[in-house]
Amino acid sequence: GEDVEQSLFLSVREGDSSVINCTYTDSSSTYLYWYKQEPGAGLQLLTYIFSNMDMKQDQRLTVLLNKKDKHLSLRIADTQTGDSAIYFCARASASKIIFGSGTRLSIRP
Amino acid sequence: NAGVMQNPRHLVRRRGQEARLRCSPMKGHSHVYWYRQLPEEGLKFMVYLQKENIIDESGMPKERFSAEFPKEGPSILRIQQVVRGDSAAYFCASSNPGQGDTGELFFGEGSRLTVL
Repeated sequence: GEDVEQSLFLSVREGDSSVINCTYTDSSSTYLYWYKQEPGAGLQLLTYIFSNMDMKQDQRLTVLLNKKDKHLSLRIADTQTGDSAIYFCARASASKIIFGSGTRLSIRP
Repeated sequence: NAGVMQNPRHLVRRRGQEARLRCSPMKGHSHVYWYRQLPEEGLKFMVYLQKENIIDESGMPKERFSAEFPKEGPSILRIQQVVRGDSAAYFCASSNPGQGDTGELFFGEGSRLTVL
């Protein structure tokens, strides 16, 4: 299977919380990341978490890491229309960063 | 402070032609990565280069694809004898690893190749 896996789509109502999940296979990564890609643009780093942490909060973003289950999640509180994008989970691996397939987040009114 | 610059943004080629994609990293960055994005797929790693050196090309197809990052000038991803399956968005990213580095990559806006 793929190294980093995510579901392809998520739809949430404006104002609700969005939770995007990711699983990975290699537990040796030092850093795990969430990148955001808006239409027609490149990726931008949203947040990252070091592998010895369980949680990281940054304003509306909360990252949870379960190393035992190799599960990473991104929670976006009070989701807004501007949060519509593709969100990529990624992990550091030796000389490169390996990305998941991305989760397309759509917001409904 | 310019970010990662890629050109062309859009490129159309006929089957059998050559495609050259250029990437200028962020100022002060000496590490360049190329990724390919196909529709409904994530970014697939292709190659990692430092100035005049290929560090990791484990994601590069064995034939028709090559990459370089010369001492002077941009990094170039070259695709010879393009086929329809090469149609994709090609993203370049740069970094400048150092002490305390988190490994963050800075991405360009991508070059979208269409093969007719």
